[in-house]
Amino acid sequence: DAGVTQSPTHLIKTRGQQVTLRCSPKSGHDTVSWYQQALGQGPQFIFQYYEEEERQRGNFPDRFSGHQFPNYSSELNVNALLLGDSALYLCASSAVLLEAGAETQYFGPGTRLLVL
Amino acid sequence: AQKITQTQPGMFVQEKEAVTLDCTYDTSDQSYGLFWYKQPSSGEMIFLIYQGSYDEQNATEGRYSLNFQKARKSANLVISASQLGDSAMYFCAMREPYSSASKIIFGSGTRLSIRP
Repeated sequence: DAGVTQSPTHLIKTRGQQVTLRCSPKSGHDTVSWYQQALGQGPQFIFQYYEEEERQRGNFPDRFSGHQFPNYSSELNVNALLLGDSALYLCASSAVLLEAGAETQYFGPGTRLLVL
Repeated sequence: AQKITQTQPGMFVQEKEAVTLDCTYDTSDQSYGLFWYKQPSSGEMIFLIYQGSYDEQNATEGRYSLNFQKARKSANLVISASQLGDSAMYFCAMREPYSSASKIIFGSGTRLSIRP
């Protein structure tokens, strides 16, 4: 049973560039959430996708956008990168149906983004 | 607004001893879920244990147990017989309302170091 996968593992960009991060959810999961974790802090919720639509959003600017595909995989896009966007970006998947194990969000290994 | 507070930025514990990581939370909702995650230096967020607000019994998962005191809004993690591999960052987190697909709010974390 494959867990949550993310790509790439590491990424280096320069200010002003755009970046796309990818996530494949755990088998049987249909909801994907994205989090940003700055160094030394806890993860901060960016947004969540379900049925190919954004259903919740945290306090992040419109430069952060996303997409969910029919196979439930998801992309996080960040435009006009700033130095402060340097962080670990975590993807988590979960299932809407309340069944054993569905109460939990399972996280991928993350993508480390460095903006120079 | 919901909030998670972890007051111990770092802890040192001797191998094989038990350790308690503190967590308090604030919410106005009656139904919510509480989690503990472990984050080793590799960055992946590993799910440890879950407690629902309506669960009467404290959750246990192997060497992990959650000391849930609802009136005090406290959800401390207890690790019995600590091992060197337990050295990591530990995050307390909360999901509300009671749904598998809601965002998770994280505390600032506690860095646990196990001494041989």
